[in-house]
Amino acid sequence: DQQVKQNSPSLSVQEGRISILNCDYTNSMFDYFLWYKKYPAEGPTFLISISSIKDKNEDGRFTVFLNKSAKHLSLHIVPSQPGDSAVYFCAAMGNTDKLIFGTGTRLQVFP
Amino acid sequence: DAGVIQSPRHEVTEMGQEVTLRCKLISGHNSLFWYRQTMMRGLELLIYFNNNVPIDDSGMPEDRFSAKMPNASFSTLKIQPSEPRDSAVYFCASSSGTGWETQYFGPGTRLLVL
Repeated sequence: DQQVKQNSPSLSVQEGRISILNCDYTNSMFDYFLWYKKYPAEGPTFLISISSIKDKNEDGRFTVFLNKSAKHLSLHIVPSQPGDSAVYFCAAMGNTDKLIFGTGTRLQVFP
Repeated sequence: DAGVIQSPRHEVTEMGQEVTLRCKLISGHNSLFWYRQTMMRGLELLIYFNNNVPIDDSGMPEDRFSAKMPNASFSTLKIQPSEPRDSAVYFCASSSGTGWETQYFGPGTRLLVL
């Protein structure tokens, strides 16, 4: 039973446009959410996070939005660049301090 | 610093064989995490250690899996006997703090069990 779901396995976006990656969760006890980025043959690297007391967190071109009532979060990348092409994982944690990952979305940014 | 080091990078073995995956933490880090990545389930936390002590092993699939930290900078994940469904990419990560964003992942070991 997947508690963190990324329903889009892949996304293709033109350079300069906005990329929106979505993530849904089922456990209402989750209170901290993270996004990781993964290039081929490398381990995931932390990108951005958000606490459940916020609904938005911004870091440069990356913004994460959290909608607690819908149990939904999204990662916006604007403007998208070819170097952003990677697999993006969303992850969530609650009172167990255990990080639960989604299955990932492969983003391709084309010129 | 070389970052988290994992070996081997690729492993192909036959069903029933023992497999040992190795991980060297970043110097000064005191927490170690083992993850498994599959297409169906994404990244799953298998076990994590803090100061060489296993804190949560509830993600370990079954008794065929075991993990150890013989010293503060090194860990092994052993699968005995291995099965085809164990085929996945196994990552270890280390951190120096309690914040999850401070985890640094190794490049992973791609395991194929025939």
